[in-house]
Order: sequence, then structure tokens, then C-alpha cells
Amino acid sequence: SAVISQKPSRDICQRGTSLTIQCQVDSQVTMMFWYRQQPGQSLTLIATANQGSEATYESGFVIDKFPISRPNLTFSTLTVSNMSPEDSSIYLCSALTGSRHEQYFGPGTRLTVT
Amino acid sequence: ELKVEQNPLFLSMQEGKNYTIYCNYSTTSDRLYWYRQDPGKSLESLFVLLSNGAVKQEGRLMASLDTKARLSTLHITAAVHDLSATYFCAVENTDKLIFGTGTRLQVFP
Repeated sequence: SAVISQKPSRDICQRGTSLTIQCQVDSQVTMMFWYRQQPGQSLTLIATANQGSEATYESGFVIDKFPISRPNLTFSTLTVSNMSPEDSSIYLCSALTGSRHEQYFGPGTRLTVT
Repeated sequence: ELKVEQNPLFLSMQEGKNYTIYCNYSTTSDRLYWYRQDPGKSLESLFVLLSNGAVKQEGRLMASLDTKARLSTLHITAAVHDLSATYFCAVENTDKLIFGTGTRLQVFP
């Protein structure tokens, strides 16, 4: 299995500002993903974080709003830019391990935008 | 577009009773996951189902997969309070997970 940590665990931000969330995996993984979980809702995939290249975004999500980096096989960041109250959600990163091909999730970052 | 439907959305069960959560999906999938989420927590992987007819059991939970019907079930046997949580199914397609709506399970005495 993979152990995934995220920083920060939670934050309260003012509208118009940006927040960068870090995701660290304890071993090299083949793929990393970022999901959003709005209050009381299910999870929605934001993008696939590709190592050494631009992320692949799902419909409804754009790079200008959610820039993603993945400089190596164990680390990724997601930035939520120019935040509005509608961005208040839990943001989770996940990693797909090659050995057993299972997806594991980080603890999530609870973001509140005021 | 792959869609995943889960029902019921909310389930209130008495301890000791049995019940089943259903997960339907719209297109062929590589594998199907079941996750548990406690309030304010992240997702805990319960089962990964890989092939048609797959059945896995852990304690009072049993998951099965019928790829022909595009249906997975999560069966709860003799529910206990500790099972109270939200349960999600998620279907994998080209390594990406598409989640169902979730079933919020509440077990009462």
C-alpha cells in the first residue's frame, strides 16, 4: 500500500487569494490524481498529475484555476487560484500503485473560502 | 461518458439487520472499488473487484461484481453501529475513478 500525506490539512482563505496544497507519497507511484469533494457530495476528479509534463484536466476544470505540478514520482501540488466561496471543498490527492494497482487517498485538505 | 449510480442515497438500519447497497455503471470498466468514509475523514479502501463474478468479504461486508449487468453490490450482514459511515463505489476507467453518489449508512440500536 501507499501512505499519502497532504499539507495543509485545513485552511481558511479570503476570496481572491490562492492556496497551494502539497501531496507526498511514501513510495514511487505510477499515477497521481486530484479530486474535489464539495460539502455533502461525492468525489469529482479534477485532473491527472503527470510527472514531468502538464496535467490532464477533466471537463469543467482548467489549468488557470487549478494549476498542478508533479516534479517527481512521489510529490504533487495543486493550487486553487483566485478563490471564491464556491471553492470551499475538501481536496484529496490519490496515488495509483503499480504493484497491486490500487488507488489510495490522502487525508484531504479542507478549504473554506470566506 | 461513464456514469455511476448508487442507491440508496441514505440508509437507516437497525442493528442486526441485513441490507444491500447497489452500484450501477454505464460502460465497460477495468475494475470497481468500494470505499468507506467516516465524517471528516478521508477514504478507506474496502474492496477492489477485478472480474466478473468476483466476490470479496471482510467481516460483515461482502462485495460482488457482475460485469455483464454492470452492477456491484455491497451486502451488510447483521449491522452494528461501527458500520455507520458513507460508502462509495467507484468505477475505474483508464486509471481514473468515477465515483457513485455515496450511501450514507446509519445503524441504530
